[in-house]
Amino acid sequence: LAKTTQPISMDSYEGQEVNITCSHNNIATNDYITWYQQFPSQGPRFIIQGYKTKVTNEVASLFIPADRKSSTLSLPRVSLSDTAVYYCLRRALTFGSGTRLQVQP
Amino acid sequence: GAGVSQSPSNKVTEKGKDVELRCDPISGHTALYWYRQSLGQGLEFLIYFQGNSAPDKSGLPSDRFSAERTGGSVSTLTIQRTQQEDSAVYLCASSLAGVNNEQFFGPGTRLTVL
Repeated sequence: LAKTTQPISMDSYEGQEVNITCSHNNIATNDYITWYQQFPSQGPRFIIQGYKTKVTNEVASLFIPADRKSSTLSLPRVSLSDTAVYYCLRRALTFGSGTRLQVQP
Repeated sequence: GAGVSQSPSNKVTEKGKDVELRCDPISGHTALYWYRQSLGQGLEFLIYFQGNSAPDKSGLPSDRFSAERTGGSVSTLTIQRTQQEDSAVYLCASSLAGVNNEQFFGPGTRLTVL
């Protein structure tokens, strides 16, 4: 199964850096790691994708170690508007249950 | 430009009725996906269309569910003889090509089966 394991929920405060780690032990050679963000009553929105090492965009960074069995999404200086569910995919189509991030003032 | 659109936004039906949900993907996107999301849960893959290839139907939960994509654009998801457990938000997404490309999601159709 193309499943990933990530924490069910996380809490943080405004201005902090948040790191969400995802485990994907059985990752295949041609699998990419993709993260999506979902706000209530909306469809998911693409955040970032990577294959290995580090990828950074204007929203987040993605760290993937050499063995690719895990990945970490890093959100710098979160704000209240980053409160959402974050999904880690090792293969498209398999969203799993996601991590519910709650950012408090 | 226009994003993915879905209609209706809400649908209430009675158990045993058939329903059709529509998805208009982003123009030029060759891949189209259907998911469903029950309250408080993650997304469950239903079906995936890529160009002219045979669709990946591996996520359809039963033979009451079917989908088609006409002319490589608009898609319709049909649920026959609806059951209460079919109540969920049905999300459609499209991407330029292939499953590793960024998926753009529509707002979803909230289906309630009474």
